[in-house]
Parts: sequence; structure tokens; C-alpha cells
Amino acid sequence: QVQLVESGGGVVQPGRSLRLSCAASGFTFSSYALHWVRQAPGEGLECVAFISYDGTDKYYADSVKGRFTISRDNFNNTLYLQMNSLRAEDTAIYYCARGGANWAHVDAFDIWGQGTMVTVS
Amino acid sequence: AIRMTQSPSSLSASTGDRVTITCRASQGINSYLTWYQQKPGKAPRLLIYGASTLQSGVPSRFSGSGSGTDFTLTISSLQSEDFATYYCQQYYSHPRTFGGGTKVEIK
Repeated sequence: QVQLVESGGGVVQPGRSLRLSCAASGFTFSSYALHWVRQAPGEGLECVAFISYDGTDKYYADSVKGRFTISRDNFNNTLYLQMNSLRAEDTAIYYCARGGANWAHVDAFDIWGQGTMVTVS
Repeated sequence: AIRMTQSPSSLSASTGDRVTITCRASQGINSYLTWYQQKPGKAPRLLIYGASTLQSGVPSRFSGSGSGTDFTLTISSLQSEDFATYYCQQYYSHPRTFGGGTKVEIK
């Protein structure tokens, strides 16, 4: 079935790095934009990074710009988020989400992973 | 970044009630708006995209309307499984931004 599965979360000290992965299955991975969305404990949702279907376009929230890097491997159907210089305020559940198809004008997040917890402490 | 403002931030309602949640964008976003439902410990679920198009599998008691800067999500007859937090989100421009959420609680 169509699914996204995140991994790589954990407890990390401030200033250190962590790389999250998101493995996709059940759909043509290379045809869809992808997003990383985070949710701090008890808080709302924040889009932190976007990557287009072919990896040529990337956008970041101001809160992570210069520290986080999104990338994708369309051969292995995997999305990544490299997080450097981590701060306490980066503590959150990180979700990957499928966005719009390359032929569509709708970027609705229709498939979500289960999330992976990142704790910076 | 476009700011999305939801109201109310929380509401109490009973099963069978009609519930309306509003979302306002800080600038015009045409109809590039989605609504999500999130239950505790779960990932969000897409309900509506394009401001008013129901995602496949979502019950017809959910509906969305609006364009430009003002949008609404309506649940015509609240069911027990609808108690959750609801978020609007714009996809008019990057970064995509969410509203602060509306928690629908049992009265």
C-alpha cells in the first residue's frame, strides 16, 4: 500500500547533527513533491522543508534555513533531512508528507508518515 | 511568509451539532487551501483541498468553502470520531504555512 516510513530520530545534544530518512512505497516516488513537517510537543504544525519531484526546487522555513538540508534519492525512493547545528527548539516529531504530483497544481499533503521524534537536549 | 489565522482556537460541541471553523490568510491565496484533521498521537489526515474539494474517503458531513483570504470548514453533524484538532494550510506560496489549529472537544 501507499506509505511513508520515517526513521533516524533520537536524542542529540545541542549543536550536533542528525539525518532523518523517509522510505516510500506503493507509488511512483519520482512523480511527487515531498515535505518535512514538524510538530513540537503540544504545539501546531510547521512545514520546515520542501523538495520538488525531481529535486531541483527546494524551500525552507526561516527557522531552519542554513542549518537543514532536504534531499531525495529517486532511485531508492527515499527522502532525507540533514539537520545540523541542532537547537533545543528543534525538538519535535518530524513527519514526511507527500505533496503534489508533477502534473498537478494541487500541493495537498495526502500521505503522511507516522513521524519520528527528535529531542535536542 | 503568509500567516494563517484560525478561529476559534478551541470549541466544545455535542454529537449532532453543526460546527464551523474559520481560517483567514494574511494575503489572497485564491483557493489554494487545505484542511487537515489530527487526533492525539497520530499524523494529520487530509480532509479538503482546493478550499472545497473533499479528499477521497472523507465523509460528506465535512465541507469547505471560501476563496481569497477567508475560508470555512463545516462539519454538518458532529460525530464522536470527529473530536480532534483541525488545521488549515495554504499552498499558494512557499513556505507552506498552517493555521494554529482548532481543537474540537466534547461538551
